[in-house]
Amino acid sequence: GQQVMQIPQYQHVQEGEDFTTYCNSSTTLSNIQWYKQRPGGHPVFLIQLVKSGEVKKQKRLTFQFGEAKKNSSLHITATQTTDVGTYFCAGSRRVSNRDDKIIFGKGTRLHILP
Amino acid sequence: SQTIHQWPATLVQPVGSPLSLECTVEGTSNPNLYWYRQAAGRGLQLLFYSVGIGQISSEVPQNLSASRPQDRQFILSSKKLLLSDSGFYLCAWSGGRFGTDTQYFGPGTRLTVL
Repeated sequence: GQQVMQIPQYQHVQEGEDFTTYCNSSTTLSNIQWYKQRPGGHPVFLIQLVKSGEVKKQKRLTFQFGEAKKNSSLHITATQTTDVGTYFCAGSRRVSNRDDKIIFGKGTRLHILP
Repeated sequence: SQTIHQWPATLVQPVGSPLSLECTVEGTSNPNLYWYRQAAGRGLQLLFYSVGIGQISSEVPQNLSASRPQDRQFILSSKKLLLSDSGFYLCAWSGGRFGTDTQYFGPGTRLTVL
């Protein structure tokens, strides 16, 4: 079945360093979404990418969707302690005229060293 | 604005006891509804989803069941809990085309089965 692979599983970075998490699908996606889950909290939507090669920015966060719409990345510049949490990608694939299927990656847990 | 509620927030239950977790959504009609389970430090596992009243789809065979008695109410149940049912249960809703739109998660229920 379709899988959405996310790497790395864990990442420890020094505060101020950059961080990147990658998401790869075995099939073409109709869109990809990114979520952040703070420790003890619930996932919160960050952004959705739809177009091939799309790049979106939110302050220090840069999101990319690959040209083939099979991979995506989230890059955080100059990490801060508030960036701690688990980042999930979620890919949507069309399964019928009416429905898509969304599959979450297993997440990348970011830990910031002071 | 739309809000999603889940209760209880935490629950400790003995093995073999029944379970009922409730999720309600306000401020929208005919939402797509989802139940996820998250093991400690792990990713999101989709358990059930519903595109309308009385319509339930199960993603994985398990000890749990779901029901949608009203448009904006989604219930997760079990007749006899197992130790392996422990985890963080998240309800989510989305609008529009199933599997495509942003998912909005509730605060979750932390279930410990002893």
